[in-house]
Amino acid sequence: QKEVEQNSGPLSVPEGAIASLNCTYSDRGSQSFFWYRQYSGKSPELIMFIYSNGDKEDGRFTAQLNKASQYVSLLIRDSQPSDSATYLCAVNGAADSWGKLQFGAGTQVVVTP
Amino acid sequence: DTGVSQDPRHKITKRGQNVTFRCDPISEHNRLYWYRQTLGQGPEFLTYFQNEAQLEKSRLLSDRFSAERPKGSFSTLEIQRTEQGDSAMYLCASTLQGYTEAFFGQGTRLTVV
Repeated sequence: QKEVEQNSGPLSVPEGAIASLNCTYSDRGSQSFFWYRQYSGKSPELIMFIYSNGDKEDGRFTAQLNKASQYVSLLIRDSQPSDSATYLCAVNGAADSWGKLQFGAGTQVVVTP
Repeated sequence: DTGVSQDPRHKITKRGQNVTFRCDPISEHNRLYWYRQTLGQGPEFLTYFQNEAQLEKSRLLSDRFSAERPKGSFSTLEIQRTEQGDSAMYLCASTLQGYTEAFFGQGTRLTVV
């Protein structure tokens, strides 16, 4: 069983709409949660991190965390064609090592004009 | 450019040959991580260093793989007797003291023919 699960997609979203991405994780001891964006052939870049239950907003992005349900999500508001990419959910189990991450396989998002 | 730098960007090698990749982290970052990413999957943790000490190795890191960070600055990842299954993107990331986000390099794409 994979430790970090994401729907692979592709998730097709009309331009201007909200994209909703989901992620579940198996390790209840997980401390911090990250969303990375990865364009085809490029390296991952961090969009947001969250470590407390609830919502965290940054511009058009909102991360939501529910530790009881072992669930983290990412909302992208006003989706743009430039948001078309693979979004990777990553989980960190060690409080002192944000770089040691377990990644999901990613959800491909396609924003259609 | 003060980001994480990896060299080479692409490497094609014949099965059985040895290859070595280099990673230069962000200068003040004392932790350095290696990941491997295959097509359609998220990055998988391989190993990480704090300064020159290798603190953890994944069981994915077989005996054919070795990593070093001799002076606590740049790191090398060597694969001996390459196999076709080693074909992947090898990513390097760095953090400061483990408490900052992981910044990824552009990756080295290895193709074993």
